[in-house]
Amino acid sequence: DTEVTQTPKHLVMGMTNKKSLKCEQHMGHRAMYWYKQKAKKPPELMFVYSYEKLSINESVPSRFSPECPNSSLLNLHLHALQPEDSALYLCASSQGADRGLRNIQYFGAGTRLSVL
Amino acid sequence: DQQVKQNSPSLSVQEGRISILNCDYTNSMFDYFLWYKKYPAEGPTFLISISSIKDKNEDGRFTVFLNKSAKHLSLHIVPSQPGDSAVYFCAASARGAQKLVFGQGTRLTINP
Repeated sequence: DTEVTQTPKHLVMGMTNKKSLKCEQHMGHRAMYWYKQKAKKPPELMFVYSYEKLSINESVPSRFSPECPNSSLLNLHLHALQPEDSALYLCASSQGADRGLRNIQYFGAGTRLSVL
Repeated sequence: DQQVKQNSPSLSVQEGRISILNCDYTNSMFDYFLWYKKYPAEGPTFLISISSIKDKNEDGRFTVFLNKSAKHLSLHIVPSQPGDSAVYFCAASARGAQKLVFGQGTRLTINP
């Protein structure tokens, strides 16, 4: 089973709203990732959690706030977003490359976010 | 600076023939390479990978070839099927690195 589950599948929010994206995996993976993908572009890394600690923040604006409550769950809290933040947000997980393991990342289906 | 390049934005192949997708990289520290397939409005699906200690890895209809001296890899799909129509991303990583570096993707269309 290589399933990463993301909810919701679609989200429409106004620029003053607060919302959260959720991601869950039960593969025992210790690394989890948030990506942003725009049309016709590759996934763009936002955050990496390794063993429930934030290890990489790719200079993402503070209106995006990640949270890793436990090793199976990853959230992305959204506040005061801009229309240009509209994109497909992808969650991924892997065994964790920093322990000498190969970094095969398994992706969820994504949340299609529209900011009005 | 694009460290992973897929120079063909699109490729059209007849059903039953071979599809060959290419990828070039510039970073000598990369030692693990992956191919992902992506349908519209879905997340990328892992297809196949190869370590730099090998020059070929095969999984059913999919074969990945690695030429380290040329810093080039390719994905062969044979025979091509209509369900193979998707965007294919090449990705690379260095040992111990948590980041994958993606190419820009190639849209493959399989024609009946």
